[in-house]
Amino acid sequence: GESVGLHLPTLSVQEGDNSIINCAYSNSASDYFIWYKQESGKGPQFIIDIRSNMDKRQGQRVTVLLNKTVKHLSLQIAATQPGDSAVYFCAARPGYSTLTFGKGTMLLVSP
Amino acid sequence: NAGVTQTPKFRILKIGQSMTLQCTQDMNHNYMYWYRQDPGMGLKLIYYSVGAGITDKGEVPNGYNVSRSTTEDFPLRLELAAPSQTSVYFCASQASYEQYFGPGTRLTVT
Repeated sequence: GESVGLHLPTLSVQEGDNSIINCAYSNSASDYFIWYKQESGKGPQFIIDIRSNMDKRQGQRVTVLLNKTVKHLSLQIAATQPGDSAVYFCAARPGYSTLTFGKGTMLLVSP
Repeated sequence: NAGVTQTPKFRILKIGQSMTLQCTQDMNHNYMYWYRQDPGMGLKLIYYSVGAGITDKGEVPNGYNVSRSTTEDFPLRLELAAPSQTSVYFCASQASYEQYFGPGTRLTVT
C-alpha cells in the first residue's frame, strides 16, 4: 500500500510571499502524484500533477518538485494571494492502484 | 458540462436509518470514486468503479454499498446508519489521471 503524510498541518504566510507545502510518501513504487486545493465547504480542485519520470513541473504560479530518493514532494506557490487560502492535499498512486491522500496542510494568507 | 453533481448537500439521519447518496457525472468518465472526509483528515476511499457494472472496495467499505448501472451514475447506499458514518462524502470521476470532485454531501448521524 501507500501512506502519505504532510509535514505541517498549518502554514501561515504574508500576501506576496512564496509558500512551500511539503509531503512525504512511503511507497517507492508510486509513480503518479497530484496536488489538490480544497476551499471551505467545497470539493477538492486539481492544481498540478507530476509523474515519477519528472523532477519538476510548473503551472501558473505553482511548481511541484519530486525527490524520489527521499520520497518527498513539495508544492511551491509564488506570490501567494489571499485567494490561495485553503487546505492543500497531496496524493500518490503506485502503479494501477488507487490514489492515497495525505491529511492536508491549511494555508493561511494574511494581507 | 455540469461536471460531478451530488445530492443532497446536507442530511441528518437517525441511527439505523438508510439513505442513498446520489452522484452523477456528465463527462463520460469510466472511473468513479466515493470518498469520505472526516474533520482534519484526508480523503479515505470507500468504493470505486472502473465502468458500468464493475465496482470494488476501497480502504473503508464497511457499512456501505454501491452500484453502477450506467456510466453517469454511481450511488452510495448506507443501510444502517451509525454515528461513525458522520462525515463529508465526496464523489469523483476520473479522466486519464486527474480526478474531478463533486461538491460533497455533509451527513450527520445522531
